[in-house]
Amino acid sequence: AQSVTQLDSHVSVSEGTPVLLRCNYSSSYSPSLFWYVQHPNKGLQLLLKYTSAATLVKGINGFEAEFKKSETSFHLTKPSAHMSDAAEYFCVVSVASGGSYIPTFGRGTSLIVHP
Amino acid sequence: KAGVTQTPRYLIKTRGQQVTLSCSPISGHRSVSWYQQTPGQGLQFLFEYFSETQRNKGNFPGRFSGRQFSNSRSEMNVSTLELGDSALYLCASTRDRGLSGGELFFGEGSRLTVL
Repeated sequence: AQSVTQLDSHVSVSEGTPVLLRCNYSSSYSPSLFWYVQHPNKGLQLLLKYTSAATLVKGINGFEAEFKKSETSFHLTKPSAHMSDAAEYFCVVSVASGGSYIPTFGRGTSLIVHP
Repeated sequence: KAGVTQTPRYLIKTRGQQVTLSCSPISGHRSVSWYQQTPGQGLQFLFEYFSETQRNKGNFPGRFSGRQFSNSRSEMNVSTLELGDSALYLCASTRDRGLSGGELFFGEGSRLTVL
């Protein structure tokens, strides 16, 4: 079985300051990990993905994440927040099981950016 | 290239009715998956179709069903609607055979309100 825990339901930062959104996962096998972003009344858009290549993954809009197997973490960071980053962020783990794959979503972290 | 298209975007139904939602994937994508998003339960996987066959199914009652057509378009149906079925229903498509190895491209969702 797999699970995802996003450690913060809300994160509030000031524009221009660093962003850290935390995600821990549990998986019996080597997982693929994703971060998606959802703006209000929109679908989810992929920010970045880890699929057993480099442990530091760079995504769109200046976001990156580091896969740490020993800590079972996949935290999302950005050096400098922008107002347009305000949105809901989802960490997703997906593991092969019997030839099939089912994604498990975290509960989401709402990023609030203050001017 | 057109994105994932979901129709209708908004709809209101009453308890006991049924509803059909439609999803047109990105051209060339053969896998379509459906998700329910609610404030209480978050994002939950409903089912996935590939080449007109249901390949994976989440933990939802039999009132939730779906199908996929030969052109990869998919529909999901919810019968005997309950108040708790009020949610944003998201559809995603992917070019890869498995969900974990490929990016999921999401539509903007169909927001269902059950009165």
